[in-house]
Amino acid sequence: AAGVIQSPRHLIKEKRETATLKCYPIPRHDTVYWYQQGPGQDPQFLISFYEKMQSDKGSIPDRFSAQQFSDYHSELNMSSLELGDSALYFCASSFSETQYFGPGTRLLVL
Amino acid sequence: AQSVAQPEDQVNVAEGNPLTVKCTYSVSGNPYLFWYVQYPNRGLQFLLKYITGDNLVKGSYGFEAEFNKSQTSFHLKKPSALVSDSALYFCAVRDMPSGGYNKLIFGAGTRLAVHP
Repeated sequence: AAGVIQSPRHLIKEKRETATLKCYPIPRHDTVYWYQQGPGQDPQFLISFYEKMQSDKGSIPDRFSAQQFSDYHSELNMSSLELGDSALYFCASSFSETQYFGPGTRLLVL
Repeated sequence: AQSVAQPEDQVNVAEGNPLTVKCTYSVSGNPYLFWYVQYPNRGLQFLLKYITGDNLVKGSYGFEAEFNKSQTSFHLKKPSALVSDSALYFCAVRDMPSGGYNKLIFGAGTRLAVHP
């Protein structure tokens, strides 16, 4: 069965640089969620999209933005990166109550 | 606000013994509860969910969970643990804002260690 695809899987950036994370949901899933998991922490919700419109917003910094495109893939854009942005970023997709997660993008900011 | 609590940071079990990973919840309204498992350097894998119906929910890899409304608990169980079950387990509840499209709120996670 198809799963959620995230790219890249690993990313190393310097402080103040920008990064773009991509997410390709499971086919026919209409909702995409982004979560951030810091080291040793539980995942924290950042933002979600339903049918290409932002549906909910969590603890997402103003330096970050996201969108969902016509083909339902989503991108998380992160600017002015800080050391504290180093984390595992998960995308999840759903068409009902169950969210299915991708493998994550591990971002390291040096 | 919806929340879940996992009171144990780590659970140690001998292979072949039954295991329980505890989760309690606090919600307004009817809870939508989930268990996910995370292996090292991997994503979150869905195990099972409770939405409505039977209090005993069966999921993947032989896991099951018992929904207890009076105790506001949703403990994850398995009759016979395997070494390969060693991982980080997260309990989650779906937030229920009036607009729908509901994010998950996770517990802090419980690390399960199954010893040979």
